[in-house]
Amino acid sequence: NAGVTQTPKFRVLKTGQSMTLLCAQDMNHEYMYWYRQDPGMGLRLIHYSVGEGTTAKGEVPDGYNVSRLKKQNFLLGLESAAPSQTSVYFCASSFGLEETQYFGPGTRLLVL
Amino acid sequence: GQSLEQPSEVTAVEGAIVQINCTYQTSGFYGLSWYQQHDGGAPTFLSYNALDGLEETGRFSSFLSRSDSYGYLLLQELQMKDSASYFCAVRLPTGANNLFFGTGTRLTVIP
Repeated sequence: NAGVTQTPKFRVLKTGQSMTLLCAQDMNHEYMYWYRQDPGMGLRLIHYSVGEGTTAKGEVPDGYNVSRLKKQNFLLGLESAAPSQTSVYFCASSFGLEETQYFGPGTRLLVL
Repeated sequence: GQSLEQPSEVTAVEGAIVQINCTYQTSGFYGLSWYQQHDGGAPTFLSYNALDGLEETGRFSSFLSRSDSYGYLLLQELQMKDSASYFCAVRLPTGANNLFFGTGTRLTVIP
């Protein structure tokens, strides 16, 4: 099992550009999450999904969109990147309620 | 809303015991989790307290007191590889297993 994987590992964008971050898990988990982590701060939830075809907003959803067309994949989109979106993005998944969240290796995004 | 407070930094000697505290304010939660994150790495699960009391997993133990809105992570027989950031997180009653994380404690283990 690869667990949770994220693509790409690192990306540099210019302000206004768009991109999609891909998260994939091979553990048949129902729940998936996108977090961002800024220096000196904990992880903040952007969006999450409780199953294929469902998405919901987390704590800091503005400027991001998500899709979960397949159970194993959770995509995070930035339509018009801003410098404030420079961060490390982590994807996570869990089997169900009160279950451990497993994190991917992260994507480092720099917006100039 | 929720808030979680942890010390920003802790330094301890190899072989010693260290306690990382977490105090919280939340309107409701299922339990308190702890995650470890090495520099440049992903958070990894350490421990979870659904009920008050002590949970032990090898060298790591975690404690929760709902009446005191307080929890801690205890690391025994510290090793150099334990140098990392440690995050407490409350599991929210959203029906989606959501976690709300504290800002983390950076532990430095010195020889």
